[in-house]
Amino acid sequence: DAMVIQNPRYQVTQFGKPVTLSCSQTLNHNVMYWYQQKSSQAPKLLFHYYDKDFNNEADTPDNFQSRRPNTSFCFLDIRSPGLGDAAMYLCATSRDGGTGANVLTFGAGSRLTVL
Amino acid sequence: GQNIDQPTEMTATEGAIVQINCTYQTSGFNGLFWYQQHAGEAPTFLSYNVLDGLEEKGRFSSFLSRSKGYSYLLLKELQMKDSASYLCAVRDSNYQLIWGAGTKLIIKP
Repeated sequence: DAMVIQNPRYQVTQFGKPVTLSCSQTLNHNVMYWYQQKSSQAPKLLFHYYDKDFNNEADTPDNFQSRRPNTSFCFLDIRSPGLGDAAMYLCATSRDGGTGANVLTFGAGSRLTVL
Repeated sequence: GQNIDQPTEMTATEGAIVQINCTYQTSGFNGLFWYQQHAGEAPTFLSYNVLDGLEEKGRFSSFLSRSKGYSYLLLKELQMKDSASYLCAVRDSNYQLIWGAGTKLIIKP
């Protein structure tokens, strides 16, 4: 089945120790998104790629970086995780940027714990 | 600023009907989405409204009034598996998705 796969599902790291989360998709969607979601809060968009074009949200901290080496893969790098970065990180894809009933397909998420 | 308002939590009984409301103030409007999110899992798409009126899909229906900046999700014949958070999201004039914080729905036997 076509899907969005995130690894790892659970990541525990120490304060300041870099972390990389990965996302792969078999849907051949050209847009990929990274969201941060904390408990009982709305998902917060960190950045998205439209094909290879990278779009950074204005309030995304510099501590967060992303790479998309090809259509299928996208990575989220957290260079120096702080306690406030503990959250669920959701990868999502869509066929295009937003016209029509353009539905986001989400991966299962990566839950980050910072000790 | 842009804002989506939903009740934080609702409780309903198995077999009953529940209506989850969503009001929005956004810069323009290009569609409203409802997603279901079970605890610890990713959101999954439920419905999309871009024109006023009711969209029915099985036990779930979604209503939109653009003039009132208002939508609701109606769940009928509630089942225990419907216990989840329900997220309302609006696409603004820049085609950015603005998300609500979600409504946690608790179903009791």
